[in-house]
Amino acid sequence: EIVLTQSPATLSLSPGERVTLSCRASQSVSRHFAWYQQRPGQAPRLLIYDASNRATGIPARFSGSGSGTDFTLTISSLEPEDFAVYYCQQRYNWPITFGQGTRLEIK
Amino acid sequence: EVQLLESGGGLVQPGGSLRLSCEGSGITFSTYAMTWVRQAPGEGLEWVSSISGSGDSINYADSVKGRFTISRDNSKNTLSLQMNSLRGEDTAVYYCAKGPGATRYDFDYWGQGTLVTVSS
Repeated sequence: EIVLTQSPATLSLSPGERVTLSCRASQSVSRHFAWYQQRPGQAPRLLIYDASNRATGIPARFSGSGSGTDFTLTISSLEPEDFAVYYCQQRYNWPITFGQGTRLEIK
Repeated sequence: EVQLLESGGGLVQPGGSLRLSCEGSGITFSTYAMTWVRQAPGEGLEWVSSISGSGDSINYADSVKGRFTISRDNSKNTLSLQMNSLRGEDTAVYYCAKGPGATRYDFDYWGQGTLVTVSS
């Protein structure tokens, strides 16, 4: 099983700040990798697929990069609605796995 | 507009069974892989099971293998999850999620979730 480790677990930031979230895979997943956002009480929402492609309707302030084992999600300037939990996911091998999540909190 | 609507959740005793359904609309259902993902209270996302668009490829998490059965009826735009021998650790919100293609297993649309509680 491919283990995805997200860091940090929690981040406290202010609106307008830039943030980079990390996710490391225990073995290469090529670019078969996605990022999701989950707001409280809501279903997850796809942000980034294939490591760096923004999903439909996702604002340009979200960007993804990486390949192999190391991936990042960057939000260039935090909006109030961006404070949520972010998950990474790999689809390279079965079983599909998710990271444990990074919580973005308002400072 | 793509919509996924889950149903069938509820309270069930340990050892019991439950069948979840997910009805898709706004899409040609058969052309997309479908997946169940669950989230225990206060916890992260856990993949449960996936089925390809045609239904000929199925995978399960080890935690549910032999107890859960995924299926789909493309004529009715419906995905199902038959859950048997339920345990307390199966308590979670269960989401159905759609892949962007017949054999793609990232998830571009999600249902709102249905809560399954396993308790005596």
